[in-house]
Amino acid sequence: DAGVTQSPTHLIKTRGQHVTLRCSPISGHKSVSWYQQVLGQGPQFIFQYYEKEERGRGNFPDRFSARQFPNYSSELNVNALLLGDSALYLCASSPPGSTDTQYFGPGTRLTVL
Amino acid sequence: AQSVTQPDIHITVSEGASLELRCNYSYGATPYLFWYVQSPGQGLQLLLKYFSGDTLVQGIKGFEAEFKRSQSSFNLRKPSVHWSDAAEYFCAVGAGILNNDMRFGAGTRLTVKP
Repeated sequence: DAGVTQSPTHLIKTRGQHVTLRCSPISGHKSVSWYQQVLGQGPQFIFQYYEKEERGRGNFPDRFSARQFPNYSSELNVNALLLGDSALYLCASSPPGSTDTQYFGPGTRLTVL
Repeated sequence: AQSVTQPDIHITVSEGASLELRCNYSYGATPYLFWYVQSPGQGLQLLLKYFSGDTLVQGIKGFEAEFKRSQSSFNLRKPSVHWSDAAEYFCAVGAGILNNDMRFGAGTRLTVKP
């Protein structure tokens, strides 16, 4: 079975631009979570979606938004990019009935210049 | 809110030696505890998890972890380290069944000497 997939793999943007990151969960998984991992740190929780509804939000500014589609894929959007948004963005999905366990994708490396 | 501390930023062990990575958590209720491993440039792979029951949990790749409520610890162990175990290891704590705000430690980087 395919794991969690994310696109693009790498992305370079300049300050002030907008970015959209995409995530496809493992087949049958209905929950998707997003994390930001700054170099040298552990991942920080951004959002969790389940059945297209937001179920959790971390301590991130309103420039960060996300949504989940009927096929359970998800997008993370970041507006007005700052240098500090440079990070590895990880997506994780969870199976129904086991939302406590998350399976991570390889991440999207975002560089803001 | 829950939090995790991994006291060791970097650990070096010789191949074949035993390994213990420390993790201390803070959470008011029964925690959901996890260990993940991350190879350079990769996502995170789940090694093992603890929710309840037997406090010694077995994971993949020969790893195990022991939950000690009295010490608020969930240390990861492996009896004999292989060169392929070199990676970054993260301990994480989740807040309940929804796990909609999982908190990670800063990680411990493991180097394996030949």
